Amino acid sequence: EVQLVESGGGLVQPGGSLRLSCAASGFTFIDHYMDWVRQAPGKGLEWVGRTRNKANSYTTEYAASVRGRFTISRDDSKNSLYLQMNSLTTEDTAVYYCARAFPFNNHWYFDCWGQGTLVTVSS
Amino acid sequence: IQLTQSPSSLSASVGDRVTITCRASEGISSYLAWYQQKPGKAPKLLTYGASTLQSGVPSRFSGSGSGRDFTLTISSLQPEDFATYYCQQFNIYPLTFGQGTRLEIK
Repeated sequence: EVQLVESGGGLVQPGGSLRLSCAASGFTFIDHYMDWVRQAPGKGLEWVGRTRNKANSYTTEYAASVRGRFTISRDDSKNSLYLQMNSLTTEDTAVYYCARAFPFNNHWYFDCWGQGTLVTVSS
Repeated sequence: IQLTQSPSSLSASVGDRVTITCRASEGISSYLAWYQQKPGKAPKLLTYGASTLQSGVPSRFSGSGSGRDFTLTISSLQPEDFATYYCQQFNIYPLTFGQGTRLEIK
């Protein structure tokens, strides 16, 4: 069974940093692109960013709203995905979901999601 | 690419046939997925590639469309279908979602 379990959320002050983790199991992690998607309270879904797989050199993509502040990384030896968040603002308050991506004609959609971890940015 | 869903909210009854539309600001071929989200839960994939049903999803759900215009249809609403539905394009970065359609019980 595919499982994605996020951790690391919590309360952080504006300007602070936080690192989220996502532990994956039940599939061959190294083969998949992995993404972070967030959802502000009462709002819709917003894609945060992606890391491609080893076959595609672990390259990354980011939403404009987080580029330069957030960094996605992965450790295939630990089946883990990470999101380093710096210079946080109140606008970053959200539930952060880890999502596995799956290919369709070499375009990748989200086929499995974790349960999410809440990040609250407040003084 | 901006995705616009309509309606934003919808009231319907068990057994009704419901259609939600998603329009892209430019063509995305068939690189569109639909997700269902219930309160306090993670989204769940329903369809991808515009019309391919994800394994395990009931056959009352169906997707169609290509280019800019897409639809998600639920042929006969069941009590567990009342949720929020999102379309998402995976053709080009940044990946984007529609604003969501909240399906409520009438």
